[in-house]
Amino acid sequence: ETGVTQSPTHLIKTRGQQVTLRCSSQSGHNTVSWYQQALGQGPQFIFQYYREEENGRGNFPPRFSGLQFPNYSSELNVNALELDDSALYLCASSLMFGGARAKNIQYFGAGTRLSVL
Amino acid sequence: AQTVTQSQPEMSVQEAETVTLSCTYDTSESDYYLFWYKQPPSRQMILVIRQEAYKQQNATENRFSVNFQKAAKSFSLKISDSQLGDAAMYFCAYEGAQKLVFGQGTRLTINP
Repeated sequence: ETGVTQSPTHLIKTRGQQVTLRCSSQSGHNTVSWYQQALGQGPQFIFQYYREEENGRGNFPPRFSGLQFPNYSSELNVNALELDDSALYLCASSLMFGGARAKNIQYFGAGTRLSVL
Repeated sequence: AQTVTQSQPEMSVQEAETVTLSCTYDTSESDYYLFWYKQPPSRQMILVIRQEAYKQQNATENRFSVNFQKAAKSFSLKISDSQLGDAAMYFCAYEGAQKLVFGQGTRLTINP
């Protein structure tokens, strides 16, 4: 158990809808990263939040957005869902100091399986 | 951009034997971290082992060890005394610029 929890575990949406996924970070961690894992692929970095600010973004369109709250939990929002958004969405928490390059371990949650019909 | 390549989509091993999973990566950085993560059917990524690039000594964690060849940009994982619980997807990952870059994964099957 990593102490990182994600909700919901499964979600079914239709194309064009909007979805919000949630992540509670491990106690003592201040950084949350989100990854998208398509079936049979390795996870792809979406973005990272450090102290409530976006701190790096992968090659994902602006309809993927996020938030981090004062308690360091985080949300991933996806607007205008497309069929290709169907994937496992993983959240990982870690501890960073002063925004410096993370040299600490990222601990993952069990993910949210999103299906877009 | 950093890339990570796992050339073995699937591997199998007899219980109690040893298996090695391969990983190569590409980067222009000199200081970085490399990881092996395990993803069982429960979907949760579990850290298996971590290697710091500036350390020449290969990391070990119980039955798991790595062969880190910095010049060749190679980072293989050796699992000794394989157990049924080792069956999972294994991902090699490079840590750079606050993000992890993952390979495509290797599915490991343990034969009893």
